[in-house]
Amino acid sequence: QLQLQESGPGLVKPSETLSLSCSVSGGSISTSSYYWSWIRQPPGKGLEWIGSIYSNGDTNYSPSLKSRVTISVDRSKNQFSLKVTSVTAADTAVYYCARAYRYGSGWKIGYFDPWGQGTLVTVSS
Amino acid sequence: QSALTQPASVSGSPGQSITISCTGTSSDVGSYNYVSWYQQHPGKAPKLIIYDVSNRPSGISNRFSGSKSGNTASLTISGLQAEDEADYYCSSYTSTSSPVVFGGGTKLTVL
Repeated sequence: QLQLQESGPGLVKPSETLSLSCSVSGGSISTSSYYWSWIRQPPGKGLEWIGSIYSNGDTNYSPSLKSRVTISVDRSKNQFSLKVTSVTAADTAVYYCARAYRYGSGWKIGYFDPWGQGTLVTVSS
Repeated sequence: QSALTQPASVSGSPGQSITISCTGTSSDVGSYNYVSWYQQHPGKAPKLIIYDVSNRPSGISNRFSGSKSGNTASLTISGLQAEDEADYYCSSYTSTSSPVVFGGGTKLTVL
């Protein structure tokens, strides 16, 4: 059974870079049928898609975060990562990694399953 | 503001049925059968309960069902149980600048 696990610092200072990794176990990150995604949820609020990456390294980001976000994949480690630069308090959230079903080509991103357990990142000095 | 519109809250008594709506546009829900629904209990990760409008993943109770009409998708939970009390989110593929949109979430209270 595929499992995802986020890891990274739980506290980041304002203006610095948030870095998280997602380890994938029970399956290969190189499969052609899926995108590997990051989603966040500010405390008490809803879900926000951050971006996704295909196994060949192609990426797609939320327009609202595109200038500050980088998602990368390390196939040798079967993991993918997220970097968000110049963070502010508004970036405080639970960050989830998830696998997204891929409908054919052209970035038709479908349902997210499974999800990691999530990791709370707080931006504070 | 979320791209998909859900009611903030719904409630029902045990054994009853409830429906949660998810209203989008012709750029997402109205044109694609790529709507999914997630259940999220407090402090837990979201869990997929419906995909492609009306399909249930393995292990999901048949008390959960999904449908779509025009620009609005719906999640129906029949035979409400206390364990169904949770937040529910819809999501859809969209042909706009961002390929994925979520609804704002609906808090289900089982009375």
